[in-house]
Amino acid sequence: AQSVTQPDIHITVSEGASLELRCNYSYGATPYLFWYVQSPGQGLQLLLKYFSGDTLVQGIKGFEAEFKRSQSSFNLRKPSVHWSDAAEYFCAVGSNTGNQFYFGTGTSLTVIP
Amino acid sequence: DVKVTQSSRYLVKRTGEKVFLECVQDMDHENMFWYRQDPGLGLRLIYFSYDVKMKEKGDIPEGYSVSREKKERFSLILESASTNQTSMYLCASSQTLGQVAYEQYFGPGTRLTVT
Repeated sequence: AQSVTQPDIHITVSEGASLELRCNYSYGATPYLFWYVQSPGQGLQLLLKYFSGDTLVQGIKGFEAEFKRSQSSFNLRKPSVHWSDAAEYFCAVGSNTGNQFYFGTGTSLTVIP
Repeated sequence: DVKVTQSSRYLVKRTGEKVFLECVQDMDHENMFWYRQDPGLGLRLIYFSYDVKMKEKGDIPEGYSVSREKKERFSLILESASTNQTSMYLCASSQTLGQVAYEQYFGPGTRLTVT
């Protein structure tokens, strides 16, 4: 069965520091992978996606993610965090045998001055 | 830009009431989804629809029903609201090509409180 694990429930970083949010997935075939961000009280906004090709994908707001098949991971990174990046981040895997997504439980990011 | 709108941002209902949550998308997407989001549980799929008048149960359909009479509109119905249905409800839509799950676009959410 497909599943997504985000091991870190909550992360705190200083503004200007680098960030890495972890995501591991379980999926039998080539996965379609996504990262979303959710600001408080808002819906989810797509940050980036991986379908195929280059395993390092660039997204909006300066985020990038790297697909590592051997580790079943799709970690999100940002070299320098801004206070406005404080939000909830969700990793998701999309099925290629149906239309469903499977979401992780999210990582809450706090940014301190 | 894709736009997904939800009829209410906040809703307060009493136990036993029938509740309608409406979702409209303007990108001619085939697929529409209803999720509920609770702290520590992430997003859980309630129902989805891949075509007009078609619906599929998600992971937690109990206590809910849906309606999709037009391609752009997908309604979630709580036949008799209960306090354990207090939650954030998120609607999403996506296009499809064969069976591939393309990115989903989300509405702003409806925070439902059942008292």
